[in-house]
Amino acid sequence: GAGVSQSPSNKVTEKGKDVELRCDPISGHTALYWYRQSLGQGLEFLIYFQGNSAPDKSGLPSDRFSAERTGGSVSTLTIQRTQQEDSAVYLCASSFISGGAEEQYFGPGTRLTVT
Amino acid sequence: AQSVSQHNHHVILSEAASLELGCNYSYGGTVNLFWYVQYPGQHLQLLLKYFSGDPLVKGIKGFEAEFIKSKFSFNLRKPSVQWSDTAEYFCATFPSGGYNKLIFGAGTRLAVHP
Repeated sequence: GAGVSQSPSNKVTEKGKDVELRCDPISGHTALYWYRQSLGQGLEFLIYFQGNSAPDKSGLPSDRFSAERTGGSVSTLTIQRTQQEDSAVYLCASSFISGGAEEQYFGPGTRLTVT
Repeated sequence: AQSVSQHNHHVILSEAASLELGCNYSYGGTVNLFWYVQYPGQHLQLLLKYFSGDPLVKGIKGFEAEFIKSKFSFNLRKPSVQWSDTAEYFCATFPSGGYNKLIFGAGTRLAVHP
C-alpha cells in the first residue's frame, strides 16, 4: 500500500517568507508526527496529533511554527517568517495507535533551505 | 528525561566485516527500543524493535540487536556487512510514560567499502 507522502520534496525560500509543508499519512493511521532532521541537532520531535485529542506541541521550537491536521488525515506544518536556522529536512510519520507502543512509518521528508 | 546515546558517529568497514553499533538509553521505566536505518536518498525505515520478551531481536536484512537491561544497552549487530548496508543508523526510544514521540540518538554513519 501507499506509504507516507510529503510535499514538496524540496523547498527553497527567502528569509522572512512563510512556508507550508504537507504530509499525507498512511490511510487508517490515527497518529501523525512531525520531526526535524538537521546537522548538529539530529532528529527532533516537533508535534504529535492523535485522533481528536489536543496535539502535543511540546517540540515546536518557536511560535513561528504551527501545524494542523484536517479531517484526521492530511497535516500541514507552517513556518512563518522563516530564518536560516530553520533549514533542515522536515519528516512526517504516522502510526496506528492501539493503546501502546507502535512502529512509526516515515515519509521521504521535505528539504527546506532558507536563503 | 529519557535519552539515547550512540557513541560511534562514523564507522568505516570493509565488506564481510562484522558490525556492532552501540546504543545506550537512560532508564525510564517501561522500555521500548528501536533501530531505524536511512539509506542514502531514502526515508527512515524500521530495522527492528524491542518491546518485551526475548532480549535478542532479529530484524530485516540480517540485523539483530540485544537488549541488556543491566547495561542499559541495545546494540545493533550484523555478522557480515555488505556495501549495500552503507547508511545512517538511528537508535530510538519512547519517553517514559508516553508513546507520542520518538527520542532519537545522534545517529551513526556507516560506510562499507567493497
